[in-house]
Amino acid sequence: NAGVTQTPKFQVLKTGQSMTLQCAQDMNHEYMSWYRQDPGMGLRLIHYSVGAGITDQGEVPNGYNVSRSTTEDFPLRLLSAAPSQTSVYFCASRYPGTGDGYTFGSGTRLTVV
Amino acid sequence: AQKITQTQPGMFVQEKEAVTLDCTYDTSDPSYGLFWYKQPSSGEMIFLIYQGSYDQQNATEGRYSLNFQKARKSANLVISASQLGDSAMYFCAMRSTGNQFYFGTGTSLTVIP
Repeated sequence: NAGVTQTPKFQVLKTGQSMTLQCAQDMNHEYMSWYRQDPGMGLRLIHYSVGAGITDQGEVPNGYNVSRSTTEDFPLRLLSAAPSQTSVYFCASRYPGTGDGYTFGSGTRLTVV
Repeated sequence: AQKITQTQPGMFVQEKEAVTLDCTYDTSDPSYGLFWYKQPSSGEMIFLIYQGSYDQQNATEGRYSLNFQKARKSANLVISASQLGDSAMYFCAMRSTGNQFYFGTGTSLTVIP
């Protein structure tokens, strides 16, 4: 199994550009989430989904959109990139069981100039 | 309000010695889960260990154990017989009743030969 696959691994954007970070999982996990990791701030939840067709906002949703049309895919869209969105982005998925932790993708390092 | 607190930004341990990484949490939920993740320099997030709030015994996984003190709201990670490959960032996380995960800011562990 591939687990959680994120693309691209690296990306440089100009301020104002838009782009989509792709995330796919092949474990039939119901729950999927997007986090951003910034130095000294740990991981902060951007958006999450508890199943196909259901999404909700996390701690830092502004400037990002998500959709969940299938169980496997959970893309994250940056609407108009800003330097404050320079970060490492992680997609993660898990079963809804109480003891189930997240399986993470390998991350996307995004720089907005 | 901060849900997870890791007060040690950086820790050093001699190879083959044991080390404790601190984590305290804040929740009023009766049911919750506590997790530890390892992030090596390559960037991926690796699940290490899980403790449920109703578990009577401390969780153990190989050289990892979780020192769970419910009354003190602490969930410290103990790594026994440290190895050079244990050098990494370590994140404590909590799953709340709402099924959202909250991460701490991490502790950087360096194992000294």
